[in-house]
Amino acid sequence: AQSVAQPEDQVNVAEGNPLTVKCTYSVSGNPYLFWYVQYPNRGLQFLLKYITGDNLVKGSYGFEAEFNKSQTSFHLKKPSALVSDSALYFCAVREKAAGNKLTFGGGTRVLVKP
Amino acid sequence: GAVVSQHPSRVICKSGTSVKIECRSLDFQATTMFWYRQFPKQSLMLMATSNEGSKATYEQGVEKDKFLINHASLTLSTLTVTSAHPEDSSFYICSARPGREVDGYTFGSGTRLTVV
Repeated sequence: AQSVAQPEDQVNVAEGNPLTVKCTYSVSGNPYLFWYVQYPNRGLQFLLKYITGDNLVKGSYGFEAEFNKSQTSFHLKKPSALVSDSALYFCAVREKAAGNKLTFGGGTRVLVKP
Repeated sequence: GAVVSQHPSRVICKSGTSVKIECRSLDFQATTMFWYRQFPKQSLMLMATSNEGSKATYEQGVEKDKFLINHASLTLSTLTVTSAHPEDSSFYICSARPGREVDGYTFGSGTRLTVV
């Protein structure tokens, strides 16, 4: 069975500082990994994905994530956070053996203070 | 880009009534759509996989008679919450995959259901 863990319920960061949102996963095969962002009362917006290839993935709005197979992690990063980055972030994994199902982490609320 | 439209965005209904939520893929065909439920400050829980032209596949613990799913065309899936109760109040989100197997998923904007 596939699973995703986001160990931090909330991350607080000052505007302009680096932002990191942690994610670890567990799958029996090769993972497809995704990051999504959710604003209040809205659906999820796609940020980036890792399928294969370079471990460092660049996505929307200046976000990037690094796939680390040995640590089974896929942390989301942004070099300089903006107040508008304050939102709920979800890491998700899909394993080919699991069909089309996405499994989500519990979410991490990011609060960027001016 | 690919867009999934979900309607209504917000609905309030009385206990015992039924509510229908629509999920449409606007510029692509979706043989499969997914319905999620999200409680406040919690993650998304997959309720069911909606399959065009066939029965939906429900996750363990989800009552199929309560959450009726119909996927009659390649661009429309509906979720009907039957005989709604206050505990059914939640945020419901649908999604679909517009492209290849390795592509991501596009999500609707969600429906906030409040049962009073």
